[in-house]
Amino acid sequence: KQEVTQIPAALSVPEGENLVLNCSFTDSAIYNLQWFRQDPGKGLTSLLLIQSSQREQTSGRLNASLDKSSGRSTLYIAASQPGDSATYLCAVRGRETSGSRLTFGEGTQLTVNP
Amino acid sequence: AAGVIQSPRHLIKEKRETATLKCYPIPRHDTVYWYQQGPGQDPQFLISFYEKMQSDKGSIPDRFSAQQFSDYHSELNMSSLELGDSALYFCASSRTSGGARETQYFGPGTRLLVL
Repeated sequence: KQEVTQIPAALSVPEGENLVLNCSFTDSAIYNLQWFRQDPGKGLTSLLLIQSSQREQTSGRLNASLDKSSGRSTLYIAASQPGDSATYLCAVRGRETSGSRLTFGEGTQLTVNP
Repeated sequence: AAGVIQSPRHLIKEKRETATLKCYPIPRHDTVYWYQQGPGQDPQFLISFYEKMQSDKGSIPDRFSAQQFSDYHSELNMSSLELGDSALYFCASSRTSGGARETQYFGPGTRLLVL
């Protein structure tokens, strides 16, 4: 059974800092990995999706990397802003033969202080 | 661009009552997924449907059932509601291309409160 772990559970940084969120998964046979943002009580906003054959994806100030063999992904946020404050969730999708469900980590709650 | 639509957005029920949540996938998407997110928890996969057939089953209680209709919308039926069913219920949809299911797009969720 796939298990996804995110470290740290919470992070508080001053505005302008670069930061890294970590995600690890136990079964490396994944189809892809996706990073989401969730504001309190709100829905899931997809930030980046990395296919299993890719090493990284970039979107604006966000960069996500994937090391499938070691079961790790990192989300790098450059020049953090107060508007980045949210919970960031990592989710992995299994191979087609094991269903296409997403398995989520418990998230990292990020607070960026002005 | 059209997104996944969920209704209702908020629902309040009493214990032992029944609730029905609806999901309208993005046009031309053929797969629907249901997830449950309890307070302070990560989303948990419940069930999915592809071309109106159940394609995968997760931690869905026996009190819940779901189906996908001919127009590809899906309904999650929840009976004998318990306090612990209070959660945010997400629906996601994806399209199958070349035999592979593509990215899942999430709806805004239905917040269910059981009193």
